Amino acid sequence: DQQVKQNSPSLSVQEGRISILNCDYTNSMFDYFLWYKKYPAEGPTFLISISSIKDKNEDGRFTVFLNKSAKHLSLHIVPSQPGDSAVYFCAASDTSYGKLTFGQGTILTVHP
Amino acid sequence: DTGVSQNPRHKITKRGQNVTFRCDPISEHNRLYWYRQTLGQGPEFLTYFQNEAQLEKSRLLSDRFSAERPKGSFSTLEIQRTEQGDSAMYLCASSLATAFGGYTFGSGTRLTVV
Repeated sequence: DQQVKQNSPSLSVQEGRISILNCDYTNSMFDYFLWYKKYPAEGPTFLISISSIKDKNEDGRFTVFLNKSAKHLSLHIVPSQPGDSAVYFCAASDTSYGKLTFGQGTILTVHP
Repeated sequence: DTGVSQNPRHKITKRGQNVTFRCDPISEHNRLYWYRQTLGQGPEFLTYFQNEAQLEKSRLLSDRFSAERPKGSFSTLEIQRTEQGDSAMYLCASSLATAFGGYTFGSGTRLTVV
């Protein structure tokens, strides 16, 4: 069973515009949510996180929104840059440091 | 300390052979995780250690898989009698047990079983 789902396999955005990546989860025990970015031939790189006591967390161009009632989170990138082109994974955990359950990933392409 | 190091980067092996991968975590990190990633999927949890103790193993980790972390430093993941379905990227990550902010992943070991 896929407990964390990213239903959009890919997203194409123009440079300077907003990128919105979505993620849904089914396990109500998840309390911690993270986004990772992955370039080819590299391991995933941590981007931003949020715990369930918040509904928004911001770090520079990146903002994560959490809607617990809908079991949905999203990552907003504003403005998008060509260097943001990568695979983005959302992940969830029921503890602050335990194992992560990942979504399938969304390939983001930012066109100049 | 430049991050999590995994060796080898690539491994091609014949079906039925045994393979071993090594992971060197960030030195002050006491937690170490192994994940497996296949094409088009996100990483799947295999197992994790706190110091030298293996705290959890996924049901994905069959009897052919074994992981160790002697002395709580580096870790090895061994796959015995490899099968074609074992072909994947094997990722190692480390973290502090008290930290929340994501793991640091290595670049992975790509295993191809022919």
